[in-house]
Amino acid sequence: DAKTTQPTSMDCAEGRAANLPCNHSTISGNEYVYWYRQIHSQGPQYIIHGLKNNETNEMASLIITEDRKSSTLILPHATLRDTAVYYCIVKANTDKLIFGTGTRLQVFP
Amino acid sequence: GAVVSQHPSRVICKSGTSVKIECRSLDFQATTMFWYRQFPKQSLMLMATSNEGSKATYEQGVEKDKFLINHASLTLSTLTVTSAHPEDSSFYICSARGGGNTYEQYFGPGTRLTVT
Repeated sequence: DAKTTQPTSMDCAEGRAANLPCNHSTISGNEYVYWYRQIHSQGPQYIIHGLKNNETNEMASLIITEDRKSSTLILPHATLRDTAVYYCIVKANTDKLIFGTGTRLQVFP
Repeated sequence: GAVVSQHPSRVICKSGTSVKIECRSLDFQATTMFWYRQFPKQSLMLMATSNEGSKATYEQGVEKDKFLINHASLTLSTLTVTSAHPEDSSFYICSARGGGNTYEQYFGPGTRLTVT
């Protein structure tokens, strides 16, 4: 069973915020929400992760709902270089990273 | 962030030969390394997990005798595809995770294998 559900694809205009949703209704108490992205023909890149509090770093913000059943990754000012497949993964710290199908984000000029 | 390298980035080999792919953690010690495979337009599929100095643990359906993994040091893991066939052509990606309180996985740039 898939632990997360993400839209297959999304579009975003350059310079606007990209909000990528993820549903994880069966998340366990010790599982974190991780976000990675993969630009075409490259290895995945770590973006951010969180347990229950909202998190922000130089790349993005992660908003986790109070019940932890869903989250949103926010790229505040999307650029063309942000075009990639974004993966939302829930796992406990020592678990393996298992990738789903992700969301293909296309940023257009 | 931590840097993971892979070598070679691309390799073409003839059917029946073996190919070795190296994965190195450049600025941290990787107690655990992972190998993934990705076919075109598909997601990454975990093949195996290796801990330094011990045998790799393979995911269901992955042939351990065909995909030999060695994790001889805290900075190097190798994947050898033995007797490669065209259906083994794929994008192979490694990742590394440090020990202690660091659980983030850092990925290499990938190796494109083409078997002719």
